[in-house]
Amino acid sequence: GMPVEQNPPALSLYEGADSGLRCNFSTTMKSVQWFQQNHRGRLITLFYLAQGTKENGRLKSTFNSKERYSTLHIKDAQLEDSGTYFCAADETNAYKVIFGKGTHLHVLP
Amino acid sequence: ETAVFQTPNYHVTQVGNEVSFNCKQTLGHDTMYWYKQDSKKLLKIMFSYNNKQLIVNETVPRRFSPQSSDKAHLNLRIKSVEPEDSAVYLCASSYWKDTQYFGPGTRLLVL
Repeated sequence: GMPVEQNPPALSLYEGADSGLRCNFSTTMKSVQWFQQNHRGRLITLFYLAQGTKENGRLKSTFNSKERYSTLHIKDAQLEDSGTYFCAADETNAYKVIFGKGTHLHVLP
Repeated sequence: ETAVFQTPNYHVTQVGNEVSFNCKQTLGHDTMYWYKQDSKKLLKIMFSYNNKQLIVNETVPRRFSPQSSDKAHLNLRIKSVEPEDSAVYLCASSYWKDTQYFGPGTRLLVL
């Protein structure tokens, strides 16, 4: 299978709702990153994780290398959270990252 | 606030031509990257450059070459463009293994 599988491919939710995105890996990864791409194509790094959990405001991400997955949780979704979310994982220490295909998130008013 | 600058914004060219894209960062970072995002929005790392060490994605064709004059600049040259090179090319910078900051991208169309 794909080295990085990202689910779901698309997601719609109403403002104020909570949701989770997930990436599964076919092999043990050393690190994972999560990015958001807005409607203008601008990429923003959300998290870089080598292990464990990080939180930033309404966003929280977990990386479990042993179980081969990472998650991104969005709490109290806002309209500006709409966009495409990508995870990228590296099985080396040399930044040879592999990206998931992205989750297109649409937050509805 | 923009701190990673890319030029040009757009470039249209014909098959076989040479193109060069510029990227400059003013954040004092020691690592710079080039990514390619194709028409299906799939992202791929092409190069990363850290303290004069170049790490290349082995799937990148040889007609692509990064060019760095100093740690604030990492340009991308494509020697002889092919139709499949049409994409958005994104430059980023960071401290090694830290948060990356992206430029606005250069959109290339090869006719």
